[in-house]
Amino acid sequence: LAKTTQPISMDSYEGQEVNITCSHNNIATNDYITWYQQFPSQGPRFIIQGYKTKVTNEVASLFIPADRKSSTLSLPRVSLSDTAVYYCLVGDGSSASKIIFGSGTRLSIRP
Amino acid sequence: KAGVTQTPRYLIKTRGQQVTLSCSPISGHRSVSWYQQTPGQGLQFLFEYFSETQRNKGNFPGRFSGRQFSNSRSEMNVSTLELGDSALYLCASSLEGTSGSLTLGELFFGEGSRLTVL
Repeated sequence: LAKTTQPISMDSYEGQEVNITCSHNNIATNDYITWYQQFPSQGPRFIIQGYKTKVTNEVASLFIPADRKSSTLSLPRVSLSDTAVYYCLVGDGSSASKIIFGSGTRLSIRP
Repeated sequence: KAGVTQTPRYLIKTRGQQVTLSCSPISGHRSVSWYQQTPGQGLQFLFEYFSETQRNKGNFPGRFSGRQFSNSRSEMNVSTLELGDSALYLCASSLEGTSGSLTLGELFFGEGSRLTVL
């Protein structure tokens, strides 16, 4: 199982772009990279998923270099409501049991 | 489409008691997984059920058990409660990936059941 490493916490201000990087040196060929967001006392919520290069959706972008040993979640123009814990996961689709949540990054957005 | 529903949302028990938590997955989802979340240990995988069968189990003692019914609803039970079992218990459902698919199935989480053991 690929282990992920993320910063424990990050601070930013409203309107800024925030980039959270995740390291996954042992990622396997079949693994996808997925990011979840979690607010206090709620379950995590899927943000974005990718395999290589760049993926963009309505809330975020995911940048994955060619070696796939790291990935960067980019949140454009953050607001106070983006204050949450962000989890980077790697794994394949064979079973939910292979999805391991790391410690996550606690993102705090200030006015 | 209704999301994942967990009941009860909050409960308080005392040491030695047992507790049963319920999870109703999104309609059509056949996989249900359970997680324990505590401030110290983060999100830890408990077990996963698919078509009424336990597919995998995390590193938890036998006091933690679960089951899945034919309608995919799932329950987990914790017997002989300990203070350290106080946590947010999360249930997630997902579609089973098609054979040969490399896509990691998206997990849809409920809001959790917060258990306090006194």
